[in-house]
Amino acid sequence: DAGVTQSPTHLIKTRGQQVTLRCSPKSGHDTVSWYQQALGQGPQFIFQYYEEEERQRGNFPDRFSGHQFPNYSSELNVNALLLGDSALYLCASSLIGGTFDRDTQYFGPGTRLTVL
Amino acid sequence: ELKVEQNPLFLSMQEGKNYTIYCNYSTTSDRLYWYRQDPGKSLESLFVLLSNGAVKQEGRLMASLDTKARLSTLHITAAVHDLSATYFCAVTKVNRDDKIIFGKGTRLHILP
Repeated sequence: DAGVTQSPTHLIKTRGQQVTLRCSPKSGHDTVSWYQQALGQGPQFIFQYYEEEERQRGNFPDRFSGHQFPNYSSELNVNALLLGDSALYLCASSLIGGTFDRDTQYFGPGTRLTVL
Repeated sequence: ELKVEQNPLFLSMQEGKNYTIYCNYSTTSDRLYWYRQDPGKSLESLFVLLSNGAVKQEGRLMASLDTKARLSTLHITAAVHDLSATYFCAVTKVNRDDKIIFGKGTRLHILP
């Protein structure tokens, strides 16, 4: 059973460019959440997608947008990249309404984005 | 606004010693998580605590929850070098499946 997968693993962009990160949830999960983790900090919630709609959003500007596809996979798009967008971007999947277990949210390996 | 505070933020300790990491949160929460993160890696779930007085143990790690004090502790018994990592406490608000709010993490360095 594949866990959460993310691509690419690493990415280098320059200021002003746009980037798309991808996430495939754990099998059987229907919800995807995205987090940004700056170096030395805890993850910060960006947004959550369920039924192809944005369900919750953290304190991130509109430059950060997302999408969820019918197969539950998701994309995170960031426009007009800033140096401060350099971070590890984590995707987590879960099942809304599912039975609670040890790992309510399964995290993927992350995408390391560097903005030069 | 839900806030999570951990202390200490950095801890260096000798193998064989015991220590406790503290996690305070500001408003009512229905779930508290402890995660481990190794350098450059993703988050590994350690414990999920649901109710007041909950205690969970796995190996040398034990987590507890006091919802009245809005406090969780992660206790390390007879530390070993392999436990060196950053440990995050995180909580969700009362509504299930809400976003997870993380603390800043405690960077634990265990000296052999």
